[in-house]
Amino acid sequence: DTGVSQNPRHKITKRGQNVTFRCDPISEHNRLYWYRQTLGQGPEFLTYFQNEAQLEKSRLLSDRFSAERPKGSFSTLEIQRTEQGDSAMYLCASSPPVMTSNEKLFFGSGTQLSVL
Amino acid sequence: AQRVTQPEKLLSVFKGAPVELKCNYSYSGSPELFWYVQYSRQRLQLLLRHISRESIKGFTADLNKGETSFHLKKPFAQEEDSAMYYCALSGWDQGAQKLVFGQGTRLTINP
Repeated sequence: DTGVSQNPRHKITKRGQNVTFRCDPISEHNRLYWYRQTLGQGPEFLTYFQNEAQLEKSRLLSDRFSAERPKGSFSTLEIQRTEQGDSAMYLCASSPPVMTSNEKLFFGSGTQLSVL
Repeated sequence: AQRVTQPEKLLSVFKGAPVELKCNYSYSGSPELFWYVQYSRQRLQLLLRHISRESIKGFTADLNKGETSFHLKKPFAQEEDSAMYYCALSGWDQGAQKLVFGQGTRLTINP
């Protein structure tokens, strides 16, 4: 599968623990995005990287959340001191560098986080 | 503020019947509108975008700036159209990929 890869697929943790998710984008894509989706809602934008630079962060991304993309390839999203409200599907997406009429987001399968 | 509203969480139609999934948006600038689809056990994927003005899998959507709508239509539904559909919006000045999604409509096509 040469698409966007996310690990783990599922994560169950206790409240207060830290968790980290990984996203490997399509190799030639320089843009990487994190979205969060809660039950019954559409995905919500969290943050966006162009190469290694984090260009935008949503207000949804509290201080407990941090995302990195150190070498402009894979990205990690860490949540510290998890809360039950963090339970959601965390989606990663990537897109190619050239703005064309065919440009679109390629989504991963997501990491389902359950905070007990 | 940017907002996308999909008034129907569930929509059920019979095979061969016309389908219309409603989408209304709120945006002060020039929007770009998309429809994304998620089939069972598959990833979220782009179905179509208004700028392309194309028909994908028999679906079309027209941007109506007067009514701030971007409804998705198909004249004859097929069973394989059963899926979750999300309308999404972005602003030209934000780059076309920072998307605001609606809540989604689950479309079920009955045989």
